[in-house]
Amino acid sequence: EAAVTQSPRSKVAVTGGKVTLSCHQTNNHDYMYWYRQDTGHGLRLIHYSYVADSTEKGDIPDGYKASRPSQENFSLILELASLSQTAVYFCASSVGTGVERLFFGHGTKLSVL
Amino acid sequence: AQSVTQPDARVTVSEGASLQLRCKYSYSATPYLFWYVQYPRQGLQLLLKYYSGDPVVQGVNSFEAEFSKSNSSFHLQKASVHWSDSAVYFCALRANYNVLYFGSGTKLTVEP
Repeated sequence: EAAVTQSPRSKVAVTGGKVTLSCHQTNNHDYMYWYRQDTGHGLRLIHYSYVADSTEKGDIPDGYKASRPSQENFSLILELASLSQTAVYFCASSVGTGVERLFFGHGTKLSVL
Repeated sequence: AQSVTQPDARVTVSEGASLQLRCKYSYSATPYLFWYVQYPRQGLQLLLKYYSGDPVVQGVNSFEAEFSKSNSSFHLQKASVHWSDSAVYFCALRANYNVLYFGSGTKLTVEP
């Protein structure tokens, strides 16, 4: 079974601080994604990547940066965390030829105080 | 622009009853549609997918979904629900560059 591992599982950050969420996949998938989940909004796409050293903006990229240093790793960076960024963040991966199936991590619960 | 709408935020049914969770989509091209389920404290898991052909698709755990182009819908159904089906269900649409767009989800509660 494909595996996507996120770290940390939960984090409390202070407003204005820097936060880095990490994602590691052992699926050998080309595509990786960062989604944000808020109550009533489902999942919204922040950034995605289809190859190492390249990232693309999703629907809500403002306030977030992404980094894909290798095929296996994909990070989400909040340079100046804000209260509105409190949410659960999910990383996912998929094969490159089509979104046959997304494999999700367990999520990171981020609380910005 | 693409969008997915799940009009029911919460649905409660009795164990053994039938179930329908609604999903409407808006997309100008051929829709590739999915249903995912999220159990408590877990990531999402794929239930079923529709690409083309038979509008009724079968998924895991006896779930099925029916695609309707005329109604722009992709409703999820199950003939008899079990308490373990309690979860949040998401409808999703594939758009450009292999990106999935999700609806807001429907929280299903199955009562004994």
